[in-house]
Amino acid sequence: NAGVTQTPKFRVLKTGQSMTLLCAQDMNHEYMYWYRQDPGMGLRLIHYSVGEGTTAKGEVPDGYNVSRLKKQNFLLGLESAAPSQTSVYFCASSPPAIVSEQYFGPGTRLTVT
Amino acid sequence: GDSVTQMEGPVTLSEEAFLTINCTYTATGYPSLFWYVQYPGEGLQLLLKATKADDKGSNKGFEATYRKETTSFHLEKGSVQVSDSAVYFCALSDPTDSWGKLQFGAGTQVVVTP
Repeated sequence: NAGVTQTPKFRVLKTGQSMTLLCAQDMNHEYMYWYRQDPGMGLRLIHYSVGEGTTAKGEVPDGYNVSRLKKQNFLLGLESAAPSQTSVYFCASSPPAIVSEQYFGPGTRLTVT
Repeated sequence: GDSVTQMEGPVTLSEEAFLTINCTYTATGYPSLFWYVQYPGEGLQLLLKATKADDKGSNKGFEATYRKETTSFHLEKGSVQVSDSAVYFCALSDPTDSWGKLQFGAGTQVVVTP
């Protein structure tokens, strides 16, 4: 049981490049979330999904897109990376019965130069 | 909107010292309150929670009591260990929110020295 895994762990992009971050969970959770963590700001919700094929915007969705084609996977895309998107990205999942008890992945550290 | 305010860190302590991390919240309703911990190089883990006023959450020697009158959820531990060095996040959720969205504080780094 791996829990929540994220790929890659580290990435450096140039401004304007695109990339996709992959989150996978093996706990059969319905709900999944993408956050970004910046110094002094805690975690802010980017997008979330309440089931396969459904996604919704969080607090800071601009510049990101997501897809949930399979229940176990939640992808976060950056179409044209900007230095302001330099951050640590965390994925989380939760079961519908206790939605606020979220299980987090180890994070992806992204630097945009 | 709802918000969470935590004391700024880093908090540096010696082993076996008493730890308090202050957390206050602003919410229109009656939120559920959480403490998450992030150990170096890892993702966040749920440490404890409380869902109504006067509830006390506890885990691994840590405790926090939901104080509605002071809108606070301070985290305490009586005797810290080096292994407690981590970043601690206070968070809330609106129980009427079906999607379980969490509002996090900025985090407080705790450093425990031998």
